Amino acid sequence: DMQMTQSPSSLSASVGDRVTITCRASQSISIYLNWYQHKPGKAPKLLIYAASTLQSGVPSRFSGSGSGTDFTLTISSLQPEDFATYYCQQSYSTPYTFGQGTKLEIK
Amino acid sequence: QVQLQESGPGLVKPSGTLSLTCTISGGSMSSNKWWSWVRQPPGKGLECIGEIYHTGGTNYNPSLKSRVTISVDKSKNQFSLRLSSVTAADTAVYYCARKDNRGWFDPWGQGTLVTVSS
Repeated sequence: DMQMTQSPSSLSASVGDRVTITCRASQSISIYLNWYQHKPGKAPKLLIYAASTLQSGVPSRFSGSGSGTDFTLTISSLQPEDFATYYCQQSYSTPYTFGQGTKLEIK
Repeated sequence: QVQLQESGPGLVKPSGTLSLTCTISGGSMSSNKWWSWVRQPPGKGLECIGEIYHTGGTNYNPSLKSRVTISVDKSKNQFSLRLSSVTAADTAVYYCARKDNRGWFDPWGQGTLVTVSS
């Protein structure tokens, strides 16, 4: 199975900070990379698909970039509602696999 | 907008069969999408279990394929998961989700915790 590695595993930041989360694939996946936000007890939410396309309704402070093996999710100015766990997911080869998650906490 | 809701027993005995249903509201499952199950064991990552198309075609994760059956009931706008011969390792939050043909999951249900214990 394709291995997806996120870094960091956890991150402390303040409201207004710019934050970047990295996801690395064990082999090239072109742009078949998606990002999700997950809050405890809630349904995971699709933020970005195909590496850089913002899902409808997602605030523009979220952005994604990358291709091949290295990808980033950036939040340009953290808002209180952004504190959550973020996951990347590859959709290049089955079974589709996820990163282990990055927990974003309030500093 | 489409919403998904999982339902089923929260406790299953070891060696038994886990059965969950996902009810779709706000849309028809006879769309050009796949309907999926994903799970997350406590403290671990997300794992794709399998998926079904409204015509009944299925794909399963090879690691679970021998124990998994996903079925669909279009008349009820539901799809279901059965996982046999469960062990404590199958304890997890189980999510249902709609999968786009290009591979992303949206939307998801809130998830339901299933514990395997005697």
